Amino acid sequence: GAGVSQTPSNKVTEKGKYVELRCDPISGHTALYWYRQSLGQGPEFLIYFQGTGAADDSGLPNDRFFAVRPEGSVSTLKIQRTERGDSAVYLCASSLTGAYSGNTIYFGEGSWLTVV
Amino acid sequence: AQSVAQPEDQVKVAEGNPLTVKCTYSVSGNPYLFWYVQYPNRGLQFLLKYITGDNLVKGSYGFEAEFNKSQTSFHLKKPSALVSDSALYFCAVRDRDSNYQLIWGAGTKLIIKP
Repeated sequence: GAGVSQTPSNKVTEKGKYVELRCDPISGHTALYWYRQSLGQGPEFLIYFQGTGAADDSGLPNDRFFAVRPEGSVSTLKIQRTERGDSAVYLCASSLTGAYSGNTIYFGEGSWLTVV
Repeated sequence: AQSVAQPEDQVKVAEGNPLTVKCTYSVSGNPYLFWYVQYPNRGLQFLLKYITGDNLVKGSYGFEAEFNKSQTSFHLKKPSALVSDSALYFCAVRDRDSNYQLIWGAGTKLIIKP
C-alpha cells in the first residue's frame, strides 16, 4: 500500500478483555516495528520484526503483550487481560530493510486504545 | 549511554519569522539522525534525516537541519514559519555502529502565532 495502515484507528475495551491491533506495512518493507506512545511523550519501542521473526522483543512490557507476523507482511499486536495502564496510542512502522541502516522508518496513524 | 535531548518543551514563534527547534545527542559511534513531526491526533511523519555527506539536510515542508559533529547537535530550522507548522516535533538518533534502535527525544511543541 501507499503507507502503513493500522486498524482499528480507535478501540475502547473493558479492563480484562483481549485486544488485537493490526498493522499492514508499506509493500516490500521487510522491517516492521511496534511502538507505544502516551500523550505528550515520545514513542516507546515494543518490538521489531525482520521478516517473519521477532528480532527484538525487549520492549514488550510483560507477557500479556505478544506480536506476530506470520507471513512477513501484516503484523498483529495482541494484548491479553487489558489494564487501564495499557491505554495509549500503538504505532506501527516499517522500513525497507533491516534496522542496521539509515533507512527511514515510516509510521502509521496509530491505533488509539482506551481501557475502561 | 545513548540519549537525545530536546531542551525546549515548547517554542513559540511569530508567523513569518525563522524558527529553530533544538536537538543534541549522545552516541558512542557515528549517528543517523532523524526529525519527525506529529500533528494532533495523528501519527509521526518523517521530515528529514542525516546519514552521511553534506551537513545541511533539506526535508519536507521547507524544513532543514544542520548536523554539527563537534557540538553533537542536529537543530531543525525553517526560514519563515507558517501557522500550519504548529505541531509536536521529535528528534531521533540511531548509532550506526553498534545499535539499531532509534532513541527518541521527548518532543518539542512548536507554536506559530499568527
